[in-house]
Amino acid sequence: KAGVTQTPRYLIKTRGQQVTLSCSPISGHRSVSWYQQTPGQGLQFLFEYFSETQRNKGNFPGRFSGRQFSNSRSEMNVSTLELGDSALYLCASSLTGRIEKLFFGSGTQLSVL
Amino acid sequence: AQKITQTQPGMFVQEKEAVTLDCTYDTSDPSYGLFWYKQPSSGEMIFLIYQGSYDQQNATEGRYSLNFQKARKSANLVISASQLGDSAMYFCAMRDGSGNTGKLIFGQGTTLQVKP
Repeated sequence: KAGVTQTPRYLIKTRGQQVTLSCSPISGHRSVSWYQQTPGQGLQFLFEYFSETQRNKGNFPGRFSGRQFSNSRSEMNVSTLELGDSALYLCASSLTGRIEKLFFGSGTQLSVL
Repeated sequence: AQKITQTQPGMFVQEKEAVTLDCTYDTSDPSYGLFWYKQPSSGEMIFLIYQGSYDQQNATEGRYSLNFQKARKSANLVISASQLGDSAMYFCAMRDGSGNTGKLIFGQGTTLQVKP
């Protein structure tokens, strides 16, 4: 059974650009969550999608957005990139809302120059 | 507000010995779940163990066990018989009581190095 797949693995962008990251959850999983990991702030929750609806949102500016498709695949978008957006972005999936395990992907390492 | 505290930025352990990684939490919700994840240098977060607040027994998963002391609000991870492959960053995390959410609150992590 394939795990959570995130693409691309690495990304380099410049300030002001926008970026889209992709996450394919484990087959059958309907919940997808996104996290940002930085050395200074640690792991922070961005948002969660369940059955194509955003169910939960963290404390991030509106430049960070996401969506989920009918096949549960999810994308997150960051517009007008800032240097501080450089981070590892992790996606996690779970079967339903009532989780005991959250399965993570390997992440997308975003560098903003 | 919910909070997870890991007070050990780095730990060393000799191969084949046991090690305890500390985690304390703060929540006013009577129902919650506690997790431990391992993050090797590759970046992937690997699930290790889960403990629900109403679970009567401490969780165990192979060489991993969770020392859950509810009154002290601590959820320490014990790794028995350490292996070189255990060298990684370890995160303690908590989800709130609703359970219907993929939102976890993470601690700052502990870097574990296993010495041969």
